[in-house]
Amino acid sequence: KAGVTQTPRYLIKTRGQQVTLSCSPISGHRSVSWYQQTPGQGLQFLFEYFSETQRNKGNFPGRFSGRQFSNSRSEMNVSTLELGDSALYLCASSLGDDKGRNTIYFGEGSWLTVV
Amino acid sequence: AQTVTQSQPEMSVQEAETVTLSCTYDTSESDYYLFWYKQPPSRQMILVIRQEAYKQQNATENRFSVNFQKAAKSFSLKISDSQLGDAAMYFCAFFSYNTDKLIFGTGTRLQVFP
Repeated sequence: KAGVTQTPRYLIKTRGQQVTLSCSPISGHRSVSWYQQTPGQGLQFLFEYFSETQRNKGNFPGRFSGRQFSNSRSEMNVSTLELGDSALYLCASSLGDDKGRNTIYFGEGSWLTVV
Repeated sequence: AQTVTQSQPEMSVQEAETVTLSCTYDTSESDYYLFWYKQPPSRQMILVIRQEAYKQQNATENRFSVNFQKAAKSFSLKISDSQLGDAAMYFCAFFSYNTDKLIFGTGTRLQVFP
């Protein structure tokens, strides 16, 4: 059974540009969540999608957005990139239902460098 | 608000020895889950072990076991027979249906020496 798959793994963007990261959850998982990992702030929750609806959201500016498709795949978009957005972005998936959403599995992450 | 604290930024252990990583948390909830995740240099977060707060029995997964003290809000990870491949960052995490997200500690870097 394939794990959580994230693309691209590495990318470099310029300040002011936008970026889209993609995530395919484990087969059968309907919830996808995104986390940002930086040396200074650690691991922080961005948002979670379940059945194409945003179910939970962290404390990030509106430049950070996401969506989920009917096949549970998810994309995360960051617009008007700032240097501080350089981070490892981790996607995670879970079954998403009441009993299954408490066990969360992660992908390998997408490394974003903003220059 | 829930918080997770890992007070050991770095730990080291000799191969084949046992090491314990500490984690404390703060919550007013009674129903929650606790996790240990391992993040090797590849940076993928790997689920190591999971504990349900309503279960008194400590979780065990092969060489990994936890000491869950609910009243003390303590959740330590014991790694037995340490292997070189255990070298990684270890994160303690909290989940509840109220927060509906993982709340992580700052991590402990474990080094394993041959």
